Amino acid sequence: EVQLLESGGGLVQPGGSLRLSCAASGFTFQDYAMNWVRQAPGKGLEWVSGLSGSGRRTYNADSVKGRFTISRDNSKNTLYLQMNSLRDEDTAIYYCAKGLESYRNSGYDKSPFDYWGQGTLVTVSS
Amino acid sequence: EIVLTQSPATLSLSPGERATLSCRASQSVSNYLAWYQQKPGQAPRLLIYDASNRATGIPARFSGSGSGTDFTLTISSLEPEDFAVYYCHQRSNWPLTFGGGTKVEIK
Repeated sequence: EVQLLESGGGLVQPGGSLRLSCAASGFTFQDYAMNWVRQAPGKGLEWVSGLSGSGRRTYNADSVKGRFTISRDNSKNTLYLQMNSLRDEDTAIYYCAKGLESYRNSGYDKSPFDYWGQGTLVTVSS
Repeated sequence: EIVLTQSPATLSLSPGERATLSCRASQSVSNYLAWYQQKPGQAPRLLIYDASNRATGIPARFSGSGSGTDFTLTISSLEPEDFAVYYCHQRSNWPLTFGGGTKVEIK
């Protein structure tokens, strides 16, 4: 059974930093692209960052470029999101999401998301 | 950035009725469009990918169609558990984007 478990959320002041983690199990982690998607309170979904199975290719939304860094440790089956220079508008539930297709499919970096974690809440406020 | 516009914002229907949700892209996404369902307090769930392929375990009453810029999610006969918010999502170009959502509520 695929499981994704996020952690690391909490309250942080504007300008502060936070690192989110997503522990994965139930599938061959290194074979799949992984992503972070967020949802501000009462709002819709916003894709934040993604990376390939190897971690060599990363992608970011313009809203977080230069501030957030996505990474993974395939030896620990864990995905990370390092968030720096946090702003009020970064307040959201952050979900990690697994790509549907494995590396055997060309273009798998952009797979739709077939499994999601339960989310971790990040609140940026003074 | 590809903008996805969903309509209507809210759909008020009764159980047993047919629901038709629309998603329009600002430029062609080929067939690289997915649909997700989200219930309050839960993570989204993948329903349809690549415009018309049902994800594992999704009932046959959910179907997707379209290509290019215009897409439709159809729920043939609404069950009580189908009342939720639905999002479309394109994976044609970076950055990946989502539509604003359609809420299907009980009439």
